[in-house]
Amino acid sequence: GESVGLHLPTLSVQEGDNSIINCAYSNSASDYFIWYKQESGKGPQFIIDIRSNMDKRQGQRVTVLLNKTVKHLSLQIAATQPGDSAVYFCAENKGRAAGNKLTFGGGTRVLVKP
Amino acid sequence: NAGVTQTPKFQVLKTGQSMTLQCAQDMNHNSMYWYRQDPGMGLRLIYYSASEGTTDKGEVPNGYNVSRLNKREFSLRLESAAPSQTSVYFCASSGGTLTRTSYEQYFGPGTRLTVT
Repeated sequence: GESVGLHLPTLSVQEGDNSIINCAYSNSASDYFIWYKQESGKGPQFIIDIRSNMDKRQGQRVTVLLNKTVKHLSLQIAATQPGDSAVYFCAENKGRAAGNKLTFGGGTRVLVKP
Repeated sequence: NAGVTQTPKFQVLKTGQSMTLQCAQDMNHNSMYWYRQDPGMGLRLIYYSASEGTTDKGEVPNGYNVSRLNKREFSLRLESAAPSQTSVYFCASSGGTLTRTSYEQYFGPGTRLTVT
């Protein structure tokens, strides 16, 4: 079936280094791809999104790359900080016609070492 | 704005008991969603309501019912709880003039449910 998944379940990063979190998806018809951050005991929080007709989008310290050829999505975090420690999920949005439903991947835990 | 609020925060049920999880949002969002998150996994959509007065099944609707009481409130009911329904339940909302985009979902803090 359609799915969004992740390659790495846990990523340990030295404070100040860059982090790269990867995600593979299988549904070519999705309108948007979104990254969420979930801290322990909290609900997911929107980080950044990218429309399916784009291949790169930058935010504050974060960059999302979309490679439609290989159906791959990545989140890059620059100068990783202790506050970046969390679980990161990619999700695909199937568009307004489908109720803007999200399909989530399994998550990657990022641990920032001081 | 309080955003998305959920009650209760924690609940323990015995198998066969029923309960309703409450969710409310004060952002004037049109769409609301219920997800469950099992340990070490992503979120799976149970039910959603694209607009007031409508509800639709998501990926894992069996064993649940929902009610979109009004634009603000969307409740999730477990009629006969089973141990397989032990999970963390998240409510989310999207769509409206206060959101950056129509599809960005805002999540509540979750309800941790244990069924013994």
